[in-house]
Amino acid sequence: NAGVTQTPKFRVLKTGQSMTLLCAQDMNHEYMYWYRQDPGMGLRLIHYSVGEGTTAKGEVPDGYNVSRLKKQNFLLGLESAAPSQTSVYFCASSYSPSRFYNEQFFGPGTRLTVL
Amino acid sequence: KQEVTQIPAALSVPEGENLVLNCSFTDSAIYNLQWFRQDPGKGLTSLLLIQSSQREQTSGRLNASLDKSSGRSTLYIAASQPGDSATYLCAVPGNAGNMLTFGGGTRLMVKP
Repeated sequence: NAGVTQTPKFRVLKTGQSMTLLCAQDMNHEYMYWYRQDPGMGLRLIHYSVGEGTTAKGEVPDGYNVSRLKKQNFLLGLESAAPSQTSVYFCASSYSPSRFYNEQFFGPGTRLTVL
Repeated sequence: KQEVTQIPAALSVPEGENLVLNCSFTDSAIYNLQWFRQDPGKGLTSLLLIQSSQREQTSGRLNASLDKSSGRSTLYIAASQPGDSATYLCAVPGNAGNMLTFGGGTRLMVKP
């Protein structure tokens, strides 16, 4: 199993450009998440999905959109990139048979710079 | 709103020492607590998950404890090695889709 994979690994954008980050998992997990990690701010949830075809906002959703058309994929879109979106983006997934045991597994991250 | 704090923010120890990393959370109504390791420039690796009904969880040289009533968890690393050098993060799930709230992490350096 590859686990959680993310593409691309690195990207540099100019302000106003758009891009899509792809997350894929091969563990048949129901829940998927997008986090961003910034120095001094820690990891914060952007959007999440509790199943195919569903998405919901997290703590910092502004400027991002997501889609979960297939269970194994979760896409994060930036329609008009801003320098404040320079960050490392992590995707995670979990299988949720129980709230008491819901271990999250993370991808390797995408390092995005917006100039 | 749940807040998670990790102390110390950084720790440097000689190889072979036993050490304890601390994690505290403000809302004790949690279902579980997860400890992660993050190497520089890498993703997060899950180390241990403790369910709310458990008090301890062990994996190799790692032992995590959870005291819900006091809002604390500790990660004990026995006989530390240079390969243990990394940032250690704790996280607790909230209600919305089990999203995780993370602590700021403890950056550990184990010197040979």
